[in-house]
Amino acid sequence: DVKVTQSSRYLVKRTGEKVFLECVQDMDHENMFWYRQDPGLGLRLIYFSYDVKMKEKGDIPEGYSVSREKKERFSLILESASTNQTSMYLCASSGAGVRDTQYFGPGTRLTVL
Amino acid sequence: EDQVTQSPEALRLQEGESSSLNCSYTVSGLRGLFWYRQDPGKGPEFLFTLYSAGEEKEKERLKATLTKKESFLHITAPKPEDSATYLCAVQADSNSGYALNFGKGTSLLVTP
Repeated sequence: DVKVTQSSRYLVKRTGEKVFLECVQDMDHENMFWYRQDPGLGLRLIYFSYDVKMKEKGDIPEGYSVSREKKERFSLILESASTNQTSMYLCASSGAGVRDTQYFGPGTRLTVL
Repeated sequence: EDQVTQSPEALRLQEGESSSLNCSYTVSGLRGLFWYRQDPGKGPEFLFTLYSAGEEKEKERLKATLTKKESFLHITAPKPEDSATYLCAVQADSNSGYALNFGKGTSLLVTP
């Protein structure tokens, strides 16, 4: 079974703090993704990575950066957290094929005060 | 612009009352259509992938079908444990790399 884990289920941070969200997958997948999910807006892609040290912007990259130093780990960084970044953050991974299924982690509910 | 629209937004069924959820899409070159189930506070759980019009897939009480413009998720004789939000996502030629476009989901409640 594919397993995608995220470092925290719930996180509370203050405005201006630097926030790290970690994601690890155990299926040797090439592709990894970060989404955010908000009521009424659905899932929106922030960034994805198709290889170690490679990244591409998604639909809403502003205010975020990512890091992929190892194949199994993909980090999302909020350089200076703001209240409008309060959201559910979901990590996913998939194989190298364009049609490969994306498997999701349990999510991190981030609240920025 | 690619669009994925799910209907209805919410659906309430009695246990055993069969129904269908709809996912309509407008994309340039469909690569695949994915169905996920999401329980409150959890990540989406993969259900099905459909690649071409006419394709059907089944899993327990769920059956997914695909046409050139829409996909249906048929739920036969649902049980309360089928209550969840069902998400549809498409991957199209216009997507950068491997990105998925998600619909906003249908929230299903099955009452005993």
